[in-house]
Amino acid sequence: GESVGLHLPTLSVQEGDNSIINCAYSNSASDYFIWYKQESGKGPQFIIDIRSNMDKRQGQRVTVLLNKTVKHLSLQIAATQPGDSAVYFCAETYGAGSYQLTFGKGTKLSVIP
Amino acid sequence: KAGVTQTPRYLIKTRGQQVTLSCSPISGHRSVSWYQQTPGQGLQFLFEYFSETQRNKGNFPGRFSGRQFSNSRSEMNVSTLELGDSALYLCASSGTSVGETQYFGPGTRLLVL
Repeated sequence: GESVGLHLPTLSVQEGDNSIINCAYSNSASDYFIWYKQESGKGPQFIIDIRSNMDKRQGQRVTVLLNKTVKHLSLQIAATQPGDSAVYFCAETYGAGSYQLTFGKGTKLSVIP
Repeated sequence: KAGVTQTPRYLIKTRGQQVTLSCSPISGHRSVSWYQQTPGQGLQFLFEYFSETQRNKGNFPGRFSGRQFSNSRSEMNVSTLELGDSALYLCASSGTSVGETQYFGPGTRLLVL
């Protein structure tokens, strides 16, 4: 079936640098996308979301970009901090009222102090 | 508001046994979804309940079942446990509006010996 995937399994960045985590999705009908952060021993934590009628959304230090033409999603973290070290997942869903999320494999972000 | 709570946090069972996991959603949330997380398969959708009715079900065998109570609390049950059922089981809750974000609990770590 269709699924969401990630380009890079691991990413190491220097503290203070910007991080970019990428995600490819294959279901062109997907209309809602979410980024989650999961720290060791914890459940996924919501970071930011975006709907298919948008191509960019900004939060506090984070920005999500959606390119529907190439079915690509990215998460940008500004001024990466040690506390940002975690595994990041993108998730997608489609259809009004659907709560069934399809998750990517995850990218491990390591911040070097 | 208190977050999603799951009990127990850790559980050890042996093959052939059954297990029941519990999830209390965020106050006011009526949708509860369950996911299984393993290193090999990642995060996979199990099922979703809304107002005591199962609305969606993932591709898992019938040994996996769930239910939701009138207060929105949910339980999932796995019968005849197999070694491969060892995983982190995550519960997520959402509000009543279409496409609302899912917020995850800390999970229950199940080990089957």
